[in-house]
Amino acid sequence: AQTVTQSQPEMSVQEAETVTLSCTYDTSESDYYLFWYKQPPSRQMILVIRQEAYKQQNATENRFSVNFQKAAKSFSLKISDSQLGDAAMYFCAYRSVDQGAQKLVFGQGTRLTINP
Amino acid sequence: NAGVMQNPRHLVRRRGQEARLRCSPMKGHSHVYWYRQLPEEGLKFMVYLQKENIIDESGMPKERFSAEFPKEGPSILRIQQVVRGDSAAYFCASSPRTANTEAFFGQGTRLTVV
Repeated sequence: AQTVTQSQPEMSVQEAETVTLSCTYDTSESDYYLFWYKQPPSRQMILVIRQEAYKQQNATENRFSVNFQKAAKSFSLKISDSQLGDAAMYFCAYRSVDQGAQKLVFGQGTRLTINP
Repeated sequence: NAGVMQNPRHLVRRRGQEARLRCSPMKGHSHVYWYRQLPEEGLKFMVYLQKENIIDESGMPKERFSAEFPKEGPSILRIQQVVRGDSAAYFCASSPRTANTEAFFGQGTRLTVV
């Protein structure tokens, strides 16, 4: 079974600075998807960024980028120019490409605080 | 196009009562997933349904919990004889018929058992 581990329960960063959130995972599959979700106090789960394992290029979405190290099974999220609105819980998630296995496996989450 | 709609947002039940949580997927989505989030934890998969079929219920507790996604109407997650340990946020997500796409989440139902 796949597992996802986020080893940083809490992180904080100064506004406008850069922060990196860590995520490692364990799988025996060669192809899969990885995601970062943001959960603000409203509880809404918001997709931040998605990476397909067969793509070597790291995904980027505006101020958000990932460092995907497939051999190391590492998938970190970098947030540049941090803004107050980035404060939230961040969850790393794994999903198989198997058509019958659509479930997401989530890490425990990292609470990100932005200091003004 | 409305997002995934869950209701109620908050639900309070006494121990032993039944809880019914509803999820209306996005228009055109025929795949529904239910997740449970305990306080200060990540989401845990419970069940994956397509219209009128349960595809994967490997995360569902064996007793008291059931889910359905009828041909017409919302998906329902039903918890019978609730206990304090059932208190959690329950999230529904949906995805289109082509399964290898993102699932979109609802805002969740926070169940409190008193």
